[in-house]
Amino acid sequence: GEDVEQSLFLSVREGDSSVINCTYTDSSSTYLYWYKQEPGAGLQLLTYIFSNMDMKQDQRLTVLLNKKDKHLSLRIADTQTGDSAIYFCAETPLRRKIIFGKGTRLHILP
Amino acid sequence: NAGVTQTPKFQVLKTGQSMTLQCAQDMNHEYMSWYRQDPGMGLRLIHYSVGAGITDQGEVPNGYNVSRSTTEDFPLRLLSAAPSQTSVYFCASSRTRGNTEAFFGQGTRLTVV
Repeated sequence: GEDVEQSLFLSVREGDSSVINCTYTDSSSTYLYWYKQEPGAGLQLLTYIFSNMDMKQDQRLTVLLNKKDKHLSLRIADTQTGDSAIYFCAETPLRRKIIFGKGTRLHILP
Repeated sequence: NAGVTQTPKFQVLKTGQSMTLQCAQDMNHEYMSWYRQDPGMGLRLIHYSVGAGITDQGEVPNGYNVSRSTTEDFPLRLLSAAPSQTSVYFCASSRTRGNTEAFFGQGTRLTVV
């Protein structure tokens, strides 16, 4: 079946790196995504990776994709208080629809 | 560019009342969808549309109706509100189904008492 799993909570000290992990089930997904939801707002696309890539870097964000294990991770370097949000992993199996994980709430400790 | 606009932002309904959540996008996107977000449940797809005149059910369609008479608008109707429909509702659009980026509205927080 189609499922995207991620842990629900992560606490990180300000200035440290945050690593949010996700596993997915459908190997046909062309793109895998990370969305960010700030309090009281809708989701916003943070970054995405094409399925034939292993890594994508964009400023403080690094996305790693392990297709063999169907594992996706998002690393945020030098985590700031503004990074406090819920992060959703998502896939698009056979480009039919977007399937979201339940979201990981990132809490920043001072 | 407004993107995806949802109205209202907040709504309180009594059990049994009906209402329509409005969603409009100005990006000429073909694909539009409605989700509900509940604590610990993530986003669940209610209904979606791949173009004007075409709609289909998602994973939790019961108690909701949709229509898509224009490319821009995709209203969600609650026929007879129940407390179980208390949730935050998000409308989203993208250029095509499964396209790289979905744009979300700000959400409607609905409470059914």
